[in-house]
Amino acid sequence: GENVEQHPSTLSVQEGDSAVIKCTYSDSASNYFPWYKQELGKGPQLIIDIRSNVGEKKDQRIAVTLNKTAKHFSLHITETQPEDSAVYFCAASGYLRGGYQKVTFGIGTKLQVIP
Amino acid sequence: NAGVTQTPKFQVLKTGQSMTLQCAQDMNHEYMSWYRQDPGMGLRLIHYSVGAGITDQGEVPNGYNVSRSTTEDFPLRLLSAAPSQTSVYFCASSYYSNQPQHFGDGTRLSIL
Repeated sequence: GENVEQHPSTLSVQEGDSAVIKCTYSDSASNYFPWYKQELGKGPQLIIDIRSNVGEKKDQRIAVTLNKTAKHFSLHITETQPEDSAVYFCAASGYLRGGYQKVTFGIGTKLQVIP
Repeated sequence: NAGVTQTPKFQVLKTGQSMTLQCAQDMNHEYMSWYRQDPGMGLRLIHYSVGAGITDQGEVPNGYNVSRSTTEDFPLRLLSAAPSQTSVYFCASSYYSNQPQHFGDGTRLSIL
């Protein structure tokens, strides 16, 4: 099955600086890579995703890059703000029996933006 | 538009008790799934459904049961609660396959 590793587990940055979170995956057949933000006491929120036919995707201050050859993908947050403080999860899609896809999650990165 | 609604938000059970965690969505999504979240382990898939009347097991299905009689509802049943099932449980729905787009806010379950 798919295995997703996520680094770092915690990350502290000064407000206005950039933050980068990196993930690697094991299944070369994976073709969908979402990122989720989880605030305290809430469920994960899908913030951006990328599919294997795209190398980079941007949405305002957030960008995700994908290197399929190396099997790694990264989340980049620019001009960080205190409200970016949360736990971020990467995930990669894989296939269950019957052909249905599922995502495998990384263990999360706790991002703290220091005002 | 409520999205995905989970009830209860908190629950304490004794070992051996049974209970049902409720999940409802109002987006007419075919795909729904249940995850558990434990420290240092990310989210792990328990069961999923690809439509009314169709369910299947995920990574960690033992001790849990599900059914899907309507598109809107996807309850998770704990048959005989064990301390190892202490966790935060999330329900998710999606329009595209089993790629969760919307999560509920979770049920925090403690089993003594």
